Amino acid sequence: GAGVSQSPSNKVTEKGKDVELRCDPISGHTALYWYRQSLGQGLEFLIYFQGNSAPDKSGLPSDRFSAERTGESVSTLTIQRTQQEDSAVYLCASSLRLERVRVGYTFGSGTRLTVV
Amino acid sequence: GQSLEQPSEVTAVEGAIVQINCTYQTSGFYGLSWYQQHDGGAPTFLSYNALDGLEETGRFSSFLSRSDSYGYLLLQELQMKDSASYFCAFDSSYKLIFGSGTRLLVRP
Repeated sequence: GAGVSQSPSNKVTEKGKDVELRCDPISGHTALYWYRQSLGQGLEFLIYFQGNSAPDKSGLPSDRFSAERTGESVSTLTIQRTQQEDSAVYLCASSLRLERVRVGYTFGSGTRLTVV
Repeated sequence: GQSLEQPSEVTAVEGAIVQINCTYQTSGFYGLSWYQQHDGGAPTFLSYNALDGLEETGRFSSFLSRSDSYGYLLLQELQMKDSASYFCAFDSSYKLIFGSGTRLLVRP
């Protein structure tokens, strides 16, 4: 697609439920990144993919968080047993390849997750 | 450790010039990026500095001093639409680490 697409745009869930957030990167982009942004805060790195593998999962806050990517395309971020502190905007970004930091990432508009 | 520091908020007048500073602490530094984010929107890439000096892109310029671990974003001829949050970021092990952002408010 022309840009990075994320769905849903908004998600309200009850504490303890599982949620899945989806990211469709730009076609042909091999690198994909997940970030989390709490209200008024900076972007917190979660995980990145090169192709279908995830060399760096260091930012995942707990074992309730997991992510996968299939077909070097769509990625899903899953949060199990959601907690109120998981409420944030979850942003996905892609780039042509890992080294292309100098031309920037292309971000999606994010999924706003609210845990009640 | 790794960190970036930016002012939390800056206010300026339409038509003026504003500078947003960023200091960083990291090992293995490769370059400094700047992103703009309007409320409710996606961050968008503005500039990247790998070497010391000034990079100019239209009304926006970005500066880097590697020896001082310091950079800034310069916005000229401010417009109301420039009201947004601005983030500096450095690359670390194939990912970007972001600062907490500077909220720029442009007043008429």
